[in-house]
This record gives sequence, C-alpha cells and structure tokens, in this order.
Amino acid sequence: KQEVTQIPAALSVPEGENLVLNCSFTDSAIYNLQWFRQDPGKGLTSLLLIQSSQREQTSGRLNASLDKSSGRSTLYIAASQPGDSATYLCAVDGSSYKLIFGSGTRLLVRP
Amino acid sequence: GAVVSQHPSRVICKSGTSVKIECRSLDFQATTMFWYRQFPKQSLMLMATSNEGSKATYEQGVEKDKFLINHASLTLSTLTVTSAHPEDSSFYICSASLPSGATYEQYFGPGTRLTVT
Repeated sequence: KQEVTQIPAALSVPEGENLVLNCSFTDSAIYNLQWFRQDPGKGLTSLLLIQSSQREQTSGRLNASLDKSSGRSTLYIAASQPGDSATYLCAVDGSSYKLIFGSGTRLLVRP
Repeated sequence: GAVVSQHPSRVICKSGTSVKIECRSLDFQATTMFWYRQFPKQSLMLMATSNEGSKATYEQGVEKDKFLINHASLTLSTLTVTSAHPEDSSFYICSASLPSGATYEQYFGPGTRLTVT
C-alpha cells in the first residue's frame, strides 16, 4: 500500500530565504507526482506535475525534483515571500490515476 | 483553462437531512472525476472515483449508500450525503482529470464545507 510522507510538518522562515520541502513515498511504481498548494479553507492549486520519466519541473521560483528509485521528491522555493505562506501537499499517482496525498507541510513566511 | 467549480461552497444542514454537492468542469470534458474529504489539519482522503455513465468506484471504508455519486455528463458529478450526521461534517473536494502528456493531471475544485448540526 502506497504511503506518502512529508517532512517537515511545519516550517517558519523569514522572507527571502530559499527553502526545501520533502516528500517520500514507499512504492516507486508511480505514474506521476504532483505538488499542490492549499490556502486555509480553500481547494488545491496545482503547482507542478512531474511525470515518472522526468527528473524535475520548474515554474517561476519553484523547482520540483523526482527520484523515483529512492522514492523521494523535493520542492524548492527560491526567495520566499509572505504570499507563499500556505500548506503544500505532494501526491503520487500510482494506479488507476488515483492520487495518494501526504499530510502536507504548513509553511509560514514571516515578513 | 482547466477550471473546476463546486456548489455550494458552504452548507449547514440538520442531522438526518440529505445534502447534494455539485462538481463541474467549466472549460473541459472530464470522463473521470474524484471525490475527496478532508478533516481539519489533515490531508485529503479519496472517497470515490466517478466515471461518466457508470457506477462510481468507492474506496474501502466509504459507504456507497451514504455517499451517493452520480456522474451524469462529462462536465458534472454530484455527491449526495444522505441522512447526514455530525460526523459527516467535513471539507469535501472534487477533482477532474485531464490528459497531460503520457499521464493525467487532476484539477481541483474550491471545496465545499459541510456542517451538520
């Protein structure tokens, strides 16, 4: 059974710092991995999708990497801003295109 | 593009009543939609997979007679919580999948906050 773990559970950083969020999964047989952002009481916004054949994806200040063999992904946020404060979720798509989510990392960027 | 809406965004109902939540893909057709629930400060748990024109596939532990799912068209799926009880209070989120390269990407609705009193 696929399990997804995110570390740390919470993170507080001053504005301008570069930071890394970690995601690990137990079954490397995945189709893709997605990173999402969720603001309090809101739905999910897709940030990046990495297909199983890819090693990384970039969008603006965000860079996500995937090491399928070791079951790990990282989300790198450069030059963090207070507007980046949110919960970041990673999810893997392993079979039947069903997403299995991690428990998330709650990020606070302090002005 | 790839916008998914949900209605209502928030609903309060009395115990024993039924509540219907709609999920629509606004600018694309989705053969598959998914329903999740999220308890406070927890992650999303998949409840069921909804395919247009066929019966939904429910995850283990989800009561199909309590959570009725109908996917009548390529742009609309509905979740009906029947005989709701306070323990059904939660945040319900739907998603719709769209091909992305060799795989599919899911686009999520804004969620529906259900409170059962």
